Amino acid sequence: AQKITQTQPGMFVQEKEAVTLDCTYDTSDPSYGLFWYKQPSSGEMIFLIYQGSYDQQNATEGRYSLNFQKARKSANLVISASQLGDSAMYFCAMRVGGSNYKLTFGKGTLLTVNP
Amino acid sequence: DAGVTQSPTHLIKTRGQQVTLRCSPKSGHDTVSWYQQALGQGPQFIFQYYEEEERQRGNFPDRFSGHQFPNYSSELNVNALLLGDSALYLCASSPLMGGNGYTFGSGTRLTVV
Repeated sequence: AQKITQTQPGMFVQEKEAVTLDCTYDTSDPSYGLFWYKQPSSGEMIFLIYQGSYDQQNATEGRYSLNFQKARKSANLVISASQLGDSAMYFCAMRVGGSNYKLTFGKGTLLTVNP
Repeated sequence: DAGVTQSPTHLIKTRGQQVTLRCSPKSGHDTVSWYQQALGQGPQFIFQYYEEEERQRGNFPDRFSGHQFPNYSSELNVNALLLGDSALYLCASSPLMGGNGYTFGSGTRLTVV
């Protein structure tokens, strides 16, 4: 069975500072993908970044980077230069195998960016 | 290019009633998945449809059923509604293989009273 653990129910960060959101995962399948999504109060899940289990380098997408530590089974999201619009719920999710089967989500972290 | 469209956006139903939620996938996507997100929780996988067949199913009772049409759009049906079915229901579309390609809709917020 697959499992995603997000241990930070809420995080606070000052505008323009960097913040790290934690995610650990558990699976016995060697092929998997890790995702981070942002969910504002409107409800839509917005894709941020993806890391495949065989990717050699950590993924980056603009201000988002994924700190992938395979041996520790962690996939932390780093947001640089936080903006007020970054305030939202953030979810880590995992897909097992090479096909686009189900995503398993963590419970999420509520990020609040203070001015 | 339109993303995933879900309807209705909000719905209020009474216990015991039945409800149908609808989803139109992103252009070029042929696989549709449904998720239930209770308040304060992460989304939970209900089922996935591909080629009009249920391809994978999560741990949900038979009261939850679905359908996929030839144009790839999908419906989620819930019978005999319970108070605990109150949640945000998210639809996600994707190609069958490849990429990081799940696109989510904005969801249908169902309230059962």
